[in-house]
Amino acid sequence: EPEVTQTPSHQVTQMGQEVILRCVPISNHLYFYWYRQILGQKVEFLVSFYNNEISEKSEIFDDQFSVERPDGSNFTLKIRSTKLEDSAMYFCASRGTGTHEQYFGPGTRLTVT
Amino acid sequence: DQQVKQNSPSLSVQEGRISILNCDYTNSMFDYFLWYKKYPAEGPTFLISISSIKDKNEDGRFTVFLNKSAKHLSLHIVPSQPGDSAVYFCAASEGTEYGNKLVFGAGTILRVKS
Repeated sequence: EPEVTQTPSHQVTQMGQEVILRCVPISNHLYFYWYRQILGQKVEFLVSFYNNEISEKSEIFDDQFSVERPDGSNFTLKIRSTKLEDSAMYFCASRGTGTHEQYFGPGTRLTVT
Repeated sequence: DQQVKQNSPSLSVQEGRISILNCDYTNSMFDYFLWYKKYPAEGPTFLISISSIKDKNEDGRFTVFLNKSAKHLSLHIVPSQPGDSAVYFCAASEGTEYGNKLVFGAGTILRVKS
């Protein structure tokens, strides 16, 4: 069964460093998303991406964040200068055309020290 | 932002009995609702969904009921099994052509006792 994959599973970085979280969405999906879940809090929407551009972003998704689809399979989230409060689980999701169901990857646990 | 609320942080049910998980929403623009199941250290797994034009959707042991006038939905699991023990998230989306972001509730921890 097709699934969304994410790497790495755990990333530890120092405050101020750049991190890139990687995702491989389900191959025939065209809509891609990043969400995050800070420990003990809700899953929150960060950004949606379609046709090589951002279709919607939340207030959290400020200038420190960017997304890219560098090739036909990968979808990345970059945080340019990490802060302590960026520590969270980051989930990638993808969705097929004409459907509402989003399928999530296993997540990357980002720890900023 | 409390557009989707799951007011019960946890629920404990005996194996074989019915589990009922509840969800309320405030945004009348939501037109699609989804339930996800999540185990620790894993991503949310899609379970079942319902369009706002329906009031019930069933898939095996899982049934979702939608009451639009009350802005309330519920997930019924019958019969409950120990493997159903997980966190259950209600999510909602507005039907936009390109976005369709999901707004999640806080989750309900379901424990099914054998």
